Amino acid sequence: GAGVSQSPRYKVAKRGQDVALRCDPISGHVSLFWYQQALGQGPEFLTYFQNEAQLDKSGLPSDRFFAERPEGSVSTLKIQRTQQEDSAVYLCASSLVILAGRAYEQYFGPGTRLTVT
Amino acid sequence: GQQLNQSPQSMFIQEGEDVSMNCTSSSIFNTWLWYKQDPGEGPVLLIALYKAGELTSNGRLTAQFGITRKDSFLNISASIPSDVGIYFCAGRTEYGNKLVFGAGTILRVKS
Repeated sequence: GAGVSQSPRYKVAKRGQDVALRCDPISGHVSLFWYQQALGQGPEFLTYFQNEAQLDKSGLPSDRFFAERPEGSVSTLKIQRTQQEDSAVYLCASSLVILAGRAYEQYFGPGTRLTVT
Repeated sequence: GQQLNQSPQSMFIQEGEDVSMNCTSSSIFNTWLWYKQDPGEGPVLLIALYKAGELTSNGRLTAQFGITRKDSFLNISASIPSDVGIYFCAGRTEYGNKLVFGAGTILRVKS
């Protein structure tokens, strides 16, 4: 496909379960971002990769959150021992790397809606 | 952390009317972006602004990057039903890094 894809689109987890959310970026996009969007709010930054390197994880809310991108393409966001406050839409975005000072903007996937009961 | 104040929170307007929304920040940004999000979808980029004072149009949409680099506005002219959705402003302090989003403006259009 031409855009960023995410799976699953919807996930219901019982409190305490582990979940894994997948992101397939646009082919050739070097940069990949994860955002968390609570109901009625704007997206909030979680973490950022350039190729397989995780360059910024300052937005991860706790050590229960872990992200990886081992081959510099697909990324997985893992949440361990889910809590009710983890309920949100998790958005993935990708962009080309900066070339000659030009900024390439982020393209977002449709998100995964996580509900923790 | 950094926060963007976006207003109004929501608007309910008549089809054909013009719409204006804005975003302010206590921090300076090098880039201002405006996104639209439909239910069940991710944000879609509408307009990107890279220089203070820049005024950019995309069809019926016009956005400006404030001179102080701490604010931006988005105007939509002659609104139509498909303009319905949530509009977000976003700022970035460096090329390639994370975006900081406002809380969104919900736009509803009466036809």
